[in-house]
Amino acid sequence: NAGVMQNPRHLVRRRGQEARLRCSPMKGHSHVYWYRQLPEEGLKFMVYLQKENIIDESGMPKERFSAEFPKEGPSILRIQQVVRGDSAAYFCASALRTGGHNEQFFGPGTRLTVL
Amino acid sequence: SQQGEEDPQALSIQEGENATMNCSYKTSINNLQWYRQNSGRGLVHLILIRSNEREKHSGRLRVTLDTSKKSSSLLITASRAADTASYFCATSNTNAGKSTFGDGTTLTVKP
Repeated sequence: NAGVMQNPRHLVRRRGQEARLRCSPMKGHSHVYWYRQLPEEGLKFMVYLQKENIIDESGMPKERFSAEFPKEGPSILRIQQVVRGDSAAYFCASALRTGGHNEQFFGPGTRLTVL
Repeated sequence: SQQGEEDPQALSIQEGENATMNCSYKTSINNLQWYRQNSGRGLVHLILIRSNEREKHSGRLRVTLDTSKKSSSLLITASRAADTASYFCATSNTNAGKSTFGDGTTLTVKP
């Protein structure tokens, strides 16, 4: 059973371009979370999705950022018109809902660099 | 200050010593989890402790939870150089919701 997969691992974009980050959850997991980590900081929650639904997007910037988790295929975090401040590591986690806990399994992250 | 704050920010010890890291939080929680992150890498899940539990063990790791004080501690016994990493606590107030992370404790274990 493969773990959470993220690609690309490293992404370089110029200001104004679009960035697309992909996350394939663990097999059987229907809950996906996206987090952003700036250097020397902890992870900051961005969005929580289930298949075809956004459950909690309270951590998403209001503009330029969007996320989806379609019925088929990976979850996508999309950043339009990137700026230098978007440079960070973006981590995806997936969880299998069971009664009592929500252990989240993290992917290796995508490191976005905006030039 | 934010939910899930680790203390100290940085800790440096000799191999073989014990390392203790603390985490404080503000609101009620369903569970608290500890993670390790090696430099430039992803997160490795260490232990999850539920709000109705007081202590859990896993190998050289011991986690305690005091909900009255809204705090948790992570103890690593007989530390090794390979334990050098950043350690984060993360809290969740629902069974399947988001986790709120602190800024972590950077542990350096000198050989």
